[in-house]
Amino acid sequence: DVKVTQSSRYLVKRTGEKVFLECVQDMDHENMFWYRQDPGLGLRLIYFSYDVKMKEKGDIPEGYSVSREKKERFSLILESASTNQTSMYLCASSLSMLRQPQHFGDGTRLSIL
Amino acid sequence: TQLLEQSPQFLSIQEGENLTVYCNSSSVFSSLQWYRQEPGEGPVLLVTVVTGGEVKKLKRLTFQFGDARKDSSLHITAAQPGDTGLYLCAGLHGTSYGKLTFGQGTILTVHP
Repeated sequence: DVKVTQSSRYLVKRTGEKVFLECVQDMDHENMFWYRQDPGLGLRLIYFSYDVKMKEKGDIPEGYSVSREKKERFSLILESASTNQTSMYLCASSLSMLRQPQHFGDGTRLSIL
Repeated sequence: TQLLEQSPQFLSIQEGENLTVYCNSSSVFSSLQWYRQEPGEGPVLLVTVVTGGEVKKLKRLTFQFGDARKDSSLHITAAQPGDTGLYLCAGLHGTSYGKLTFGQGTILTVHP
């Protein structure tokens, strides 16, 4: 079974801090994704990556950056955390072919105080 | 940005009732996926529909993809408390990298 592991289930940070969210997958998937999930808004794509060192902006990239130095690891960075970034963050991975499902981690609930 | 409108947002029903969740867009998707998410976990794929007009069944769940590949529905027959959860539809773009557009989700509660 595919396993996508997010480093923290819960995280509390302060406004202005630089925050790192880590995600690791164990199935050699090419594609990796970061979403945020807010009530009534579904999942919104922040960034995705289709190969090592490659990244593409999703629908809401402002205030975030990403890093993919190794195929299995995809990091989300909040450069200067703000209260409106309080949310559930979900990482996912998938094979490169079309129509392949995305496999999700269990999420990181991030609170910015 | 291609949008997916999912309805209803909330559904609270009694065990044994039937229900339908709808997912609509003005855009065409190459395929559409349905996920289910339980509290404290990430979404898990239920089904992928690919062909316009396609119907897929998964026990008491029936999924349909519209003829024009712009809409989809999920029908649950004789709902059970174990069906409780968040249901998400997601459209796959025909272009790059398996990028999905998600609907807003439907929170289903089935009371015993």
